Amino acid sequence: GQSLEQPSEVTAVEGAIVQINCTYQTSGFYGLSWYQQHDGGAPTFLSYNALDGLEETGRFSSFLSRSDSYGYLLLQELQMKDSASYFCAVRDRTGANNLFFGTGTRLTVIP
Amino acid sequence: NAGVTQTPKFRILKIGQSMTLQCTQDMNHNYMYWYRQDPGMGLKLIYYSVGAGITDKGEVPNGYNVSRSTTEDFPLRLELAAPSQTSVYFCASSPAAGGSYEQYFGPGTRLTVT
Repeated sequence: GQSLEQPSEVTAVEGAIVQINCTYQTSGFYGLSWYQQHDGGAPTFLSYNALDGLEETGRFSSFLSRSDSYGYLLLQELQMKDSASYFCAVRDRTGANNLFFGTGTRLTVIP
Repeated sequence: NAGVTQTPKFRILKIGQSMTLQCTQDMNHNYMYWYRQDPGMGLKLIYYSVGAGITDKGEVPNGYNVSRSTTEDFPLRLELAAPSQTSVYFCASSPAAGGSYEQYFGPGTRLTVT
């Protein structure tokens, strides 16, 4: 089976940097994805890590350590619009790119 | 491209009723998925499909059925609705291989069973 752990809530100041951690236990692992979801909206893709290391996309970066079963999402230069829930998700080995989602971290950005 | 579309946006069902949630994608993706999301929780996979005519169970399939007669459409059927099926349902699609394995989500259907 699979399980993922994320903090349930994080609060950060506008303009600051915040890191959202994710630890996972899985019987089969291909990669770790991150999705953003605003209240009432659909999840939208942010990043994917298949190999160890850092992936950078604009203000967002994602890191993976396969040996530690750990990853994180780093958000820089926080903006009010970054207030949302962030989900890590493990891509498993079914061959259908299936994702197993964590319970999400609610980020609140304050002025 | 419209991406992934879902209908209806909202629905209230009485216990024991049945309904079909519609999902259509226009990106020619082979893979399609149905998830449910309970309040404050992550998404749980109900069913998935790797192509027309091929479907398989996900993590929480009980009480649901699917079919995939075309690449574009992947309807989800609820038989004998129960209060435990009150949730937000998301359909998603992804290309078969390569790249970031990104899943593209529809806007969701909010279902209440009373």
